[in-house]
Amino acid sequence: LAKTTQPISMDSYEGQEVNITCSHNNIATNDYITWYQQFPSQGPRFIIQGYKTKVTNEVASLFIPADRKSSTLSLPRVSLSDTAVYYCLPRSDTGKLIFGQGTTLQVKP
Amino acid sequence: DGGITQSPKYLFRKEGQNVTLSCEQNLNHDAMYWYRQDPGQGLRLIYYSQIVNDFQKGDIAEGYSVSREKKESFPLTVTSAQKNPTAFYLCASSPRKSDAYEQYFGPGTRLTVT
Repeated sequence: LAKTTQPISMDSYEGQEVNITCSHNNIATNDYITWYQQFPSQGPRFIIQGYKTKVTNEVASLFIPADRKSSTLSLPRVSLSDTAVYYCLPRSDTGKLIFGQGTTLQVKP
Repeated sequence: DGGITQSPKYLFRKEGQNVTLSCEQNLNHDAMYWYRQDPGQGLRLIYYSQIVNDFQKGDIAEGYSVSREKKESFPLTVTSAQKNPTAFYLCASSPRKSDAYEQYFGPGTRLTVT
């Protein structure tokens, strides 16, 4: 599975838009890119998935350029409750996921 | 309510004892997974099963064993051979179809071995 690189941590303020970029240079042709959110002492929760271009749901948007070597998770108007760890994960046809360290997002008032 | 249950939430054991962590799902998912998470780290895959009576080792299977006798259940045994068993253990499930992308996670079991 492709190795991913994302920032270890990010800070933001309430009401701002937050963009977290993940690089996955050797992503396989069939892999989708998924993002999960994890709060302390809880299991991760699926946020969004995409293959290319842009995907939007009620929680976030995901931007994937044509070369698919990176992806950007966009969280509009974050609140304190968005403070969490965000994981970028390529997902293969087997469904297997490889979690890295993720990005710890701290939202401040 | 559909979902994944893990019990107990906290578990304490003495070194040298085997311990079994429970994971049950009523989502009718074919695939189930066990992960381990250490403080400040991401999740690491221990075992996974894509169908009843079949399972595969993940990246850190040594010292662990699993069974998948029923679709709904995927218990994990932490044996005395696991050198550092204290961790947060998470169970997940997902549909087996290749276009199904979401893993649903349980609340986790925090195991402490002294």
